[in-house]
Amino acid sequence: AQTVTQSQPEMSVQEAETVTLSCTYDTSENNYYLFWYKQPPSRQMILVIRQEAYKQQNATENRFSVNFQKAAKSFSLKISDSQLGDTAMYFCAFMKASGTYKYIFGTGTRLKVLA
Amino acid sequence: DTAVSQTPKYLVTQMGNDKSIKCEQNLGHDTMYWYKQDSKKFLKIMFSYNNKELIINETVPNRFSPKSPDKAHLNLHINSLELGDSAVYFCASSQGSLLGDTQYFGPGTRLTVL
Repeated sequence: AQTVTQSQPEMSVQEAETVTLSCTYDTSENNYYLFWYKQPPSRQMILVIRQEAYKQQNATENRFSVNFQKAAKSFSLKISDSQLGDTAMYFCAFMKASGTYKYIFGTGTRLKVLA
Repeated sequence: DTAVSQTPKYLVTQMGNDKSIKCEQNLGHDTMYWYKQDSKKFLKIMFSYNNKELIINETVPNRFSPKSPDKAHLNLHINSLELGDSAVYFCASSQGSLLGDTQYFGPGTRLTVL
């Protein structure tokens, strides 16, 4: 069975600094997708970044980048130049690429950006 | 313009009541989903519809019944509400039903059962 683990329930970072959120997963699948979602206090779930497991290159979206280590089953999110608006819950999610549908979310990391 | 909208945003009701949550997407997507986020923030998929057809039905009490009148709408009806149904319910949509399709989430509906 697939699992997604976010071992940091809470983190804080000073504005303009860099922070890394960790995510590990367990699967026997070879092809899959990984996502990071942001949930601000408004509760809206916002897609931050997506990674296909078959791609070796790490995905990047502006200030957000991932460090995808397939062998280690690790998918960390790096936020550079943190902004107050980055304060939110961040969820890591795993989706199978074939077979029966499986979309599994981690329990989230609460990130607070400090002024 | 809101891409995925849900109504109501907040719902407070008594145990035993029946309630509905509505979801609409204006993205032209073919697939819609319902998720439940419990008090520990854990997200779990409940249902998915592709072009009005049920394609995913996780282990959910049959008190929960999704209804899709058209592919832009997926409503969730809950009968005989229980305390444990208190949660935030998220609707989402994706372009297709292919695994890996990016899903776009609505703002959530916080349901409180007293």
